[in-house]
Amino acid sequence: SQTIHQWPATLVQPVGSPLSLECTVEGTSNPNLYWYRQAAGRGLQLLFYSVGIGQISSEVPQNLSASRPQDRQFILSSKKLLLSDSGFYLCALSGHRNTGELFFGEGSRLTVL
Amino acid sequence: AQSVAQPEDQVNVAEGNPLTVKCTYSVSGNPYLFWYVQYPNRGLQFLLKYITGDNLVKGSYGFEAEFNKSQTSFHLKKPSALVSDSALYFCAVRGLMDSSYKLIFGSGTRLLVRP
Repeated sequence: SQTIHQWPATLVQPVGSPLSLECTVEGTSNPNLYWYRQAAGRGLQLLFYSVGIGQISSEVPQNLSASRPQDRQFILSSKKLLLSDSGFYLCALSGHRNTGELFFGEGSRLTVL
Repeated sequence: AQSVAQPEDQVNVAEGNPLTVKCTYSVSGNPYLFWYVQYPNRGLQFLLKYITGDNLVKGSYGFEAEFNKSQTSFHLKKPSALVSDSALYFCAVRGLMDSSYKLIFGSGTRLLVRP
């Protein structure tokens, strides 16, 4: 079965510091991968998605970036964090492309101070 | 552009009573529709989906949802609420022709079931 691992689970970083959140998946090959951000425990905002290695689509202009160096690895990064980057970051994969429900990881909670 | 509206920030029901969580959508062409549930500090769990066919869809934990094309709605329902159903619920949509398979989510509705 498909599993999604997100690391780290929680992170507290100062403003201006760099960021790297990692998402790795198992039990599937060539998945579509997604990064969502959830602010204040409410709505989800799609940040990036990837349909394959090295292929990244950005949904919202911001100081974050994403990379997909391997088929089952998706990384969210920032060179300099802002206070507004605080939130709950969720990685997801599309397991069945013809129906499209997404499977989510357990999330990484980022607090920027 | 695709969008989802969940008009209620919170729904309060008594245990044993039926519950409804509302969702309306906007998408070009036929939609794929989904409901997810989120417990505190957890990822989202898939509940059910509508792709095609019967307008009444049954899902996990006794939940069901009714697709209404004329009203562009996909309300989540359960005949008898449990205290353990208290959580944050998200409706999501994807356009049939969207090759990215990305889901657009509503703002979420917090369900509180009181004993």
